[in-house]
Amino acid sequence: AQKITQTQPGMFVQEKEAVTLDCTYDTSDQSYGLFWYKQPSSGEMIFLIYQGSYDEQNATEGRYSLNFQKARKSANLVISASQLGDSAMYFCAMREAAGTALIFGKGTTLSVSS
Amino acid sequence: GAVVSQHPSWVICKSGTSVKIECRSLDFQATTMFWYRQFPKQSLMLMATSNEGSKATYEQGVEKDKFLINHASLTLSTLTVTSAHPEDSSFYICSARRTRGNEKLFFGSGTQLSVL
Repeated sequence: AQKITQTQPGMFVQEKEAVTLDCTYDTSDQSYGLFWYKQPSSGEMIFLIYQGSYDEQNATEGRYSLNFQKARKSANLVISASQLGDSAMYFCAMREAAGTALIFGKGTTLSVSS
Repeated sequence: GAVVSQHPSWVICKSGTSVKIECRSLDFQATTMFWYRQFPKQSLMLMATSNEGSKATYEQGVEKDKFLINHASLTLSTLTVTSAHPEDSSFYICSARRTRGNEKLFFGSGTQLSVL
C-alpha cells in the first residue's frame, strides 16, 4: 500500500486565487512528520512546510499552510494568493521514524495562469 | 539556511563507464545522507541511506555493486554509478540531515545523468 497518496496529477489555478493540494498518508506510527516540497523545472527541492504528528496547530509558512486532519490522515497544502512563480511540481512526504528518509508521494503539477 | 552542494549538475557519459556524483553539506555536519532517483514527472524513490563511517543501507531492488556509496566524512557522500547503461539515465538527488537539529532534510540541486 502506498504510504503517501496524492490524487491530483495536475491542478490549474489563476493568479491570486487560493489552491489546495491533497495528500493522505498511511502509517501506524504515533510519531511522524509530514512535509511539503516544491520542485520547479530546475529540479531543486524547495522545502515549504513541516507538520509534526503531535503538533496541535496547523503549520503555516507565509502563503503556505498545512491543513492537518490527523483522524483522516490527511495533510493538505493550501497556497493562498497564487503567483506565476508557484507553477511547479509539489510533493507531499512523510518521515516515520526519527532520522529516517522521507517517503514521497507521486506529486501534483500546479500550473498558475495570469 | 543550510546548504547541500551536489556536483556535477549534469553529466553525459558513454555506456560502460563509471560516473561519480558528490554531495557535500557546506555549513553543517551530516551524519546521514540519503540518495534518491527520479524519473521524469515521477516521484523521488529512495535508493540508499548513507551513514558516515559505515556501509550504506540499500533499498530493495537497488544493486549495491552498481551504485556504490561512500560516506567518508561528516560533510561528504559520493554515489558512483558503475558500468553505466542507458537505463541508468535519470535524475539523482541527495539529501542530508543535520547531526543535531530538527527533522528537515536539505536537498542538493540534483544531477541529471544521461548514458549514451
